[in-house]
Amino acid sequence: EVQLVESGGGLVQPGGSLRLACAASGFTFNQYWMHWVRQAPGKGLEWIARVNGDGYTTSYADSVKGRFTIARDNARNTVNLQMNSLRVEDTAVYYCVRPQTGAAYAFDIWGQGTMVTVSS
Amino acid sequence: DIVVTQSPDSLAVSLGERATINCKSSQSVLYSSNNKNYLGWYQQKPGQPPKLIIYWASTRESGVPDRFSGSGSGTDFSLTISSLQAEDVAVYYCQQYYTAPYFFGQGTKLEIK
Repeated sequence: EVQLVESGGGLVQPGGSLRLACAASGFTFNQYWMHWVRQAPGKGLEWIARVNGDGYTTSYADSVKGRFTIARDNARNTVNLQMNSLRVEDTAVYYCVRPQTGAAYAFDIWGQGTMVTVSS
Repeated sequence: DIVVTQSPDSLAVSLGERATINCKSSQSVLYSSNNKNYLGWYQQKPGQPPKLIIYWASTRESGVPDRFSGSGSGTDFSLTISSLQAEDVAVYYCQQYYTAPYFFGQGTKLEIK
C-alpha cells in the first residue's frame, strides 16, 4: 500500500524552528518528486515546496522562501521540511504529497497531515 | 505565476440535482506539445486530506463515481456532479500543476439544499 506518514508537528514560539518528516512506503521513492502543501485552520490549500527525485532540484512558494528548506533522504525513504523563523501565519496542517509521476502531475497521494502551531 | 480562481465560494444543491463549480486560471495551462491541460480537481471532507478526483482537466481518478466530470481547456474549467449525493458534501479545489508555484483555487463549499 502506498503511504505517506508525517511527523514532527507541534507548538513553537514565533521565531522558532521545527523540522517535519514524511516517511514514504509502497512505491519506488527516488522516482518521484515530493511536495509539501499546507492548510491554515479553516482556510484553503497552499503549495509550499517541492524536491525532485535525486534531491538536487527544489522550489518554494514566496511565502516560505528563505525560511523553509525541503530535503530528502532516499536511503531512508523520507522527505523533510526544515522550518526556521516561524511566524504566526505559518500555523497550519502540513501535508506531505506525492504526484502521480514526474514534476508536473496532479497530487494523487496525500499523508494525513501534521499540525504546526506557532504561538507565544 | 499562474493563479487559479474558483466560483462560487459556496453552493447549495438539492439531492439528485446537478452541481457545477468553475475554475479560471490567469494563464493557459494547456501544454501544446501533448495537448493536455495541467488542471486537477480535489475533494476534501472535514478532518481528511484532499482526494484527487479529476486530472488532466477531464480524466477521472480510479474509483471516482462517473457522476463526477471535468471539462474545459486553456483557462476556463468546470467540475460537474450530475446527480448530487449526500456523500458529495465537501469542499472542492482546483489546482494548476503546469508550473510551480502550484496554486490551488480558494475552494468551493458544496452543501445540500
